[in-house]
Amino acid sequence: AQKVTQAQTEISVVEKEDVTLDCVYETRDTTYYLFWYKQPPSGELVFLIRRNSFDEQNEISGRYSWNFQKSTSSFNFTITASQVVDSAVYFCALSEGGGSNYKLTFGKGTLLTVNP
Amino acid sequence: DTEVTQTPKHLVMGMTNKKSLKCEQHMGHRAMYWYKQKAKKPPELMFVYSYEKLSINESVPSRFSPECPNSSLLNLHLHALQPEDSALYLCASSLETGGYQPQHFGDGTRLSIL
Repeated sequence: AQKVTQAQTEISVVEKEDVTLDCVYETRDTTYYLFWYKQPPSGELVFLIRRNSFDEQNEISGRYSWNFQKSTSSFNFTITASQVVDSAVYFCALSEGGGSNYKLTFGKGTLLTVNP
Repeated sequence: DTEVTQTPKHLVMGMTNKKSLKCEQHMGHRAMYWYKQKAKKPPELMFVYSYEKLSINESVPSRFSPECPNSSLLNLHLHALQPEDSALYLCASSLETGGYQPQHFGDGTRLSIL
């Protein structure tokens, strides 16, 4: 079973539209961490946000916002007023394991295309 | 510009060649990672180094040999690779291996095996 599910393989929007990328995770650990990364065509993964399992406070950073709900094991990412530069693959990731054994497991990613 | 530097950016090699991938960071991070990423797939963890010691090996074939000569450098030695090893190899680093620490990635090395 997948630990991190990103059901949307590809999303295409027109500039200035809002878009939400879904992420559902699965873990038995009580302490775990969730991340979102952006991967533009250049290949580098860019860290966007992290959340720990004890902090369900939502966060907003400019046009980006994140909604973490433990009850539904979801950590969704919304881009408001999307721009062409937002076009990339977005990965949700789960860090679990404890101590020195923490491993980062990525979802399959969502390819976002923002058209002008 | 990324703070994790990987060289070379592109590498083409035959199945009998020996080559090395290099990764460098100067952020004072004590954990370093190698990932393999096939096209249109997520990165998959290969190795984790913590304080210059190998802490995780995800059952990677021995034709991949990691080395961490010091806290800033991470190498991946390649020998007798197969065509299915063609992929983007990403290096990452984090302050420590604690799960809360975000990993910072390099641009990767695009490896093609002929």
